[in-house]
Amino acid sequence: QSVLTQPPSVSGAPGQRVTISCTGSKSNIGAPYDVHWYQHLPGTAPKVLIYNNINRPSGVSDRFSGSKSDTSASLAISGLQAEDEADYYCQSYDSSLDAWVFGGGTKLTVL
Amino acid sequence: EIQLLQSGGGLVQPGGSLRLSCVGSGFTFGNFAMSWVRQAPGKGLEWVSTLTAIDPTAHFADSVKGRFSVSRDNSRNTLYLQMNSLRVGDTAVYYCAKRRASVAGDFDSWGQGTLVTVSS
Repeated sequence: QSVLTQPPSVSGAPGQRVTISCTGSKSNIGAPYDVHWYQHLPGTAPKVLIYNNINRPSGVSDRFSGSKSDTSASLAISGLQAEDEADYYCQSYDSSLDAWVFGGGTKLTVL
Repeated sequence: EIQLLQSGGGLVQPGGSLRLSCVGSGFTFGNFAMSWVRQAPGKGLEWVSTLTAIDPTAHFADSVKGRFSVSRDNSRNTLYLQMNSLRVGDTAVYYCAKRRASVAGDFDSWGQGTLVTVSS
């Protein structure tokens, strides 16, 4: 059971927009500690897509965007492409646990 | 360009020990907290440990507390993870990661990962 809750899977057709939710609590997202999002492709290292809730690192497509409100955060992916098919994780810091925590991960399928 | 190059890993019997290494380049290694994150087969990402830069102070996930230790040699730009009393459940790909400046910062650069298999 992950401290941050994500849906196990989402799907969408090419060109569509999907969102992935991440629900936490008052000791992490609601503390408020920043939320970060990673894309993980099999056999590769995870890659940060969004940091500090809304910021995109250089080189990350503007099709990816993040938002945060109270104890939840979301990752939106617009203009879905086949290459977006991957696992996505949210991550934050939890002060009660003194731990850096990940969501359980969401598998994105592009139909 | 920031790079994290990992070494170590392999097959070890339950109860055994293993040490992982992670060499950083392209940034001032001693200025940044470094972490270990793992992914067990078929599971999600799990934070394992963080070692801060200046103090340095070590933090561990409950699942490894008392069995794993972490250290760094800033003169060699190297992070270590010493894993003792290994369990089958520790089988995973282990990644080292650089943490962005703040306590709650993201892991902005990652090593290539190294597989640790604990099996008899």
